Amino acid sequence: EAGVAQSPRYKIIEKRQSVAFWCNPISGHATLYWYQQILGQGPKLLIQFQNNGVVDDSQLPKDRFSAERLKGVDSTLKIQPAKLEDSAVYLCASSLRQGQGNEQFFGPGTRLTVL
Amino acid sequence: QKEVEQDPGPLSVPEGAIVSLNCTYSNSAFQYFMWYRQYSRKGPELLMYTYSSGNKEDGRFTAQVDKSSKYISLFIRDSQPSDSATYLCAMISNAGKSTFGDGTTLTVKP
Repeated sequence: EAGVAQSPRYKIIEKRQSVAFWCNPISGHATLYWYQQILGQGPKLLIQFQNNGVVDDSQLPKDRFSAERLKGVDSTLKIQPAKLEDSAVYLCASSLRQGQGNEQFFGPGTRLTVL
Repeated sequence: QKEVEQDPGPLSVPEGAIVSLNCTYSNSAFQYFMWYRQYSRKGPELLMYTYSSGNKEDGRFTAQVDKSSKYISLFIRDSQPSDSATYLCAMISNAGKSTFGDGTTLTVKP
């Protein structure tokens, strides 16, 4: 079974530029999550999709971050404009369903450096 | 105050030692408790998952949950150098939201 795929693996941009990350979840997984993991911290949930609908985006900085999951499969996360404090690893995860009892499988992450 | 507090480490032990990793939480809505292992430059992978107070064992790993004290632990027996990683506790609320601790970095020396 193929795992969660993410690209690019690394990205370096200057502040105020825009950047986009892509995630392809495990086939058949209805729930998709984007996390931000700052160095030395645990993953922080940014947004959670159930199929192509948003379940929770309470911690997404909506003035600069946006995400979509068209057709309930792949997802993109965009930052525009980027700030220095956005430097982090962006992790995508998927699970069969949302909530209790459903293991989240994580991708390798995209490491973003904002200069 | 964070909802989930994890012993920060880092932790360094000799091969074969018993390792204890701990988290406390403040939100009574957390119902499901997990431990993830994260190797450097990799995504977290699930190690243990439990929802009730008590112990759950899987090979060299034992997860312990005490809901009355809002305290969870992961024990690793006969630790190996391959266990060297960052260990993250995570909790899911009854609304289905996941919250992670900040991780404890473990090094097992041969």
